[in-house]
Amino acid sequence: NAGVTQTPKFQVLKTGQSMTLQCAQDMNHEYMSWYRQDPGMGLRLIHYSVGAGITDQGEVPNGYNVSRSTTEDFPLRLLSAAPSQTSVYFCASSYDRVGKLFFGSGTQLSVL
Amino acid sequence: SQELEQSPQSLIVQEGKNLTINCTSSKTLYGLYWYKQKYGEGLIFLMMLQKGGEEKSHEKITAKLDEKKQQSSLHITASQPSHAGIYLCGAVSGGSNYKLTFGKGTLLTVNP
Repeated sequence: NAGVTQTPKFQVLKTGQSMTLQCAQDMNHEYMSWYRQDPGMGLRLIHYSVGAGITDQGEVPNGYNVSRSTTEDFPLRLLSAAPSQTSVYFCASSYDRVGKLFFGSGTQLSVL
Repeated sequence: SQELEQSPQSLIVQEGKNLTINCTSSKTLYGLYWYKQKYGEGLIFLMMLQKGGEEKSHEKITAKLDEKKQQSSLHITASQPSHAGIYLCGAVSGGSNYKLTFGKGTLLTVNP
């Protein structure tokens, strides 16, 4: 089983550029979420989805868009990258309870 | 919003020593989850506690939930270098079953 796969692992953007972080899971999980991890701030929830076609905002949604057209995929879009979005991004999924999450290995994003 | 305070922030122990990490919630706990993160990797689920007084063990790691104190503790017995990493507690935000909030983590170093 591949589990939760995130791509790319590393990315450098210039301010104002847009990009999509990919997340895919092969466990048929209904729940998927995106977190960002910053020093001193811990993990913060950006967006989450409880199933295909259903998404909702987390704690820090501004500057990010998500969609969930299939159960497997949950991409995170940065519309116009800003230096404040420099962070490590984690995608996670769950099959029954939101607390027991399976995490991807992360995407390290730098915005210059 | 729910806040989780972890203590200590970091911990250095000699191999073979016991240690305890605490996680205190600002609000009522509806479930407490412990995760471990190795440097540069995603989080790995360790244990889930749902009821007051509940205690769970996995290998040499034991977690306990004190619902009245809104607190959970993670105890490692006879620590090994393989226990090194960041330990994070997570809890479902009150009023929402879909938002998992994390503490900022405890960095554990185990010296051989």
